[in-house]
Amino acid sequence: AQKITQTQPGMFVQEKEAVTLDCTYDTSDQSYGLFWYKQPSSGEMIFLIYQGSYDEQNATEGRYSLNFQKARKSANLVISASQLGDSAMYFCAMRGPYNTDKLIFGTGTRLQVFP
Amino acid sequence: GAGVSQTPSNKVTEKGKYVELRCDPISGHTALYWYRQSLGQGPEFLIYFQGTGAADDSGLPNDRFFAVRPEGSVSTLKIQRTERGDSAVYLCASSFDRDANTGELFFGEGSRLTVL
Repeated sequence: AQKITQTQPGMFVQEKEAVTLDCTYDTSDQSYGLFWYKQPSSGEMIFLIYQGSYDEQNATEGRYSLNFQKARKSANLVISASQLGDSAMYFCAMRGPYNTDKLIFGTGTRLQVFP
Repeated sequence: GAGVSQTPSNKVTEKGKYVELRCDPISGHTALYWYRQSLGQGPEFLIYFQGTGAADDSGLPNDRFFAVRPEGSVSTLKIQRTERGDSAVYLCASSFDRDANTGELFFGEGSRLTVL
């Protein structure tokens, strides 16, 4: 069975600094996808970044990058130059191979950015 | 609007009552998902539709929960004989067919259900 583990319930970072949010996953599948979503206090889930298991390069989207270490089964999110608006819950999620379309989410990390 | 729309945004009901939650996905999205999010937890998968049919309903907790998508667009999540433990935010998401791209899910803002 697939499983996502986020071991940091909460993280603090000063504005303009970088922060890494940890995510490890467990799967026996060879083909899978990894996602990060942001959930502000408004409740909506906002897609940030995607990494496919066969992608050779780490995914990047603006200030977001995904540190994908396949052998260690980790997919950490790095946010560079943190902004106050980055304060939110962050969820790591995994999708299995083609016949499994649902996303399995971790328990999340609450990030607080302070001035 | 262009996003996923969920109604009602808030629903308060009494234990034992019947509840319907509606989701209007992004136009053209063939896949539709329902998730449940309890306080302090990540979203928990309930059911997934591809078109009109439920492709995976393995997350429905029991037979009090049922969902339909009769015309392949709008979906309704139905909860019978509600219990206090059903209180949560119910999230709906939609996506293009997997082949089109990463299969990113687009979420609505959720329906907060409170069972007294």
